[in-house]
Amino acid sequence: AAGVIQSPRHLIKEKRETATLKCYPIPRHDTVYWYQQGPGQDPQFLISFYEKMQSDKGSIPDRFSAQQFSDYHSELNMSSLELGDSALYFCASSLGRGTSEYEQYFGPGTRLTVT
Amino acid sequence: AQTVTQSQPEMSVQEAETVTLSCTYDTSESDYYLFWYKQPPSRQMILVIRQEAYKQQNATENRFSVNFQKAAKSFSLKISDSQLGDAAMYFCAYRVGGDDKIIFGKGTRLHILP
Repeated sequence: AAGVIQSPRHLIKEKRETATLKCYPIPRHDTVYWYQQGPGQDPQFLISFYEKMQSDKGSIPDRFSAQQFSDYHSELNMSSLELGDSALYFCASSLGRGTSEYEQYFGPGTRLTVT
Repeated sequence: AQTVTQSQPEMSVQEAETVTLSCTYDTSESDYYLFWYKQPPSRQMILVIRQEAYKQQNATENRFSVNFQKAAKSFSLKISDSQLGDAAMYFCAYRVGGDDKIIFGKGTRLHILP
């Protein structure tokens, strides 16, 4: 079965640079979620999109922005990168939201290293 | 505030033995879901088991089962016949029904001893 695709899988950037992470949901899934997992930490919810509209927002820095496109893929844009942004960034997708029965399927993650 | 607590940062179990990972959570919601996720060295987040709060019956998935005690807000994971491939970080997690955000505990690192 098709899974969530994230690209790139690894990314190395320098401080103050910009990074763009991409997420391609499972076919037919219309909702995308982003999570950040710092070294030795648990994943933290950043933001989610349903039908191309932002549906919920967590602890996402103002330097980060995200959007969902007409084909349902999503991009997380990160500017003025800081050393503390080094983390594993997960994307998850689901079919629908707002109902109790939907489930989030996680992608393999993008490992971002800021030097 | 909704929180998930895993009090065991690390555990070890002998191969083929049974191990139980503990998790407690705090919520005032009545409609919610509980999960156990496995994160092996590849760092992929793999859903192990899912429990709906409205279901009294404990969820099971092959060698994995949960003990869901709703009144005590406890949700432990039992792994039977432990295998080397079970070695991973295990996260207990929670989501309010209809919400987007999954809240994770700090994780329990499970070592399997051959």
